[in-house]
Amino acid sequence: QKEVEQNSGPLSVPEGAIASLNCTYSDRGSQSFFWYRQYSGKSPELIMSIYSNGDKEDGRFTAQLNKASQYVSLLIRDSQPSDSATYLCAVNIRGSARQLTFGSGTQLTVLP
Amino acid sequence: NAGVTQTPKFQVLKTGQSMTLQCAQDMNHNSMYWYRQDPGMGLRLIYYSASEGTTDKGEVPNGYNVSRLNKREFSLRLESAAPSQTSVYFCASSAETGANVLTFGAGSRLTVL
Repeated sequence: QKEVEQNSGPLSVPEGAIASLNCTYSDRGSQSFFWYRQYSGKSPELIMSIYSNGDKEDGRFTAQLNKASQYVSLLIRDSQPSDSATYLCAVNIRGSARQLTFGSGTQLTVLP
Repeated sequence: NAGVTQTPKFQVLKTGQSMTLQCAQDMNHNSMYWYRQDPGMGLRLIYYSASEGTTDKGEVPNGYNVSRLNKREFSLRLESAAPSQTSVYFCASSAETGANVLTFGAGSRLTVL
């Protein structure tokens, strides 16, 4: 079992819709969770972090964390073509000397 | 601010050749990292340096060596390149190890023939 799993997609949504990206992790003791966005041919950039159960909103982005079910999700409201990118889930696996462990990413395409 | 600068951006090697990827950051960060990214595999940590003078193995260290030259610079060396090392390499830095907010360089695309 991978430590951090994401559906690879591709996920396509129409402009203006809500895009929902999901991530599950294996270590129940994980404490820190992150979403990075990566445009094609570019480097990842941090867009959201979440540390406690519940929702965290930042503009059109909402991160949701459920530690009991070991999943974290990212909702993008009013999706725009400029949101088309690969979204990487990253988790600080407890006790890992490797620091952040990344999922393989979900490719999102927002159709005009 | 330049942030994290990697060189070269592109490189083609033949099997068995050696090369060094250079990385420098100007944010006074303590921790630096080298990742590789392959299709469908996400980012995998090769080596990291928690602070100047220390380096540690990550998930996929075989075939690589690193040097933390000073606080700013962290280089990755391939002593004898193999086709399996064809990948995109990213250098990153963070203020502290475990801070988890990484700033990435633009990436270096390496092809080994």
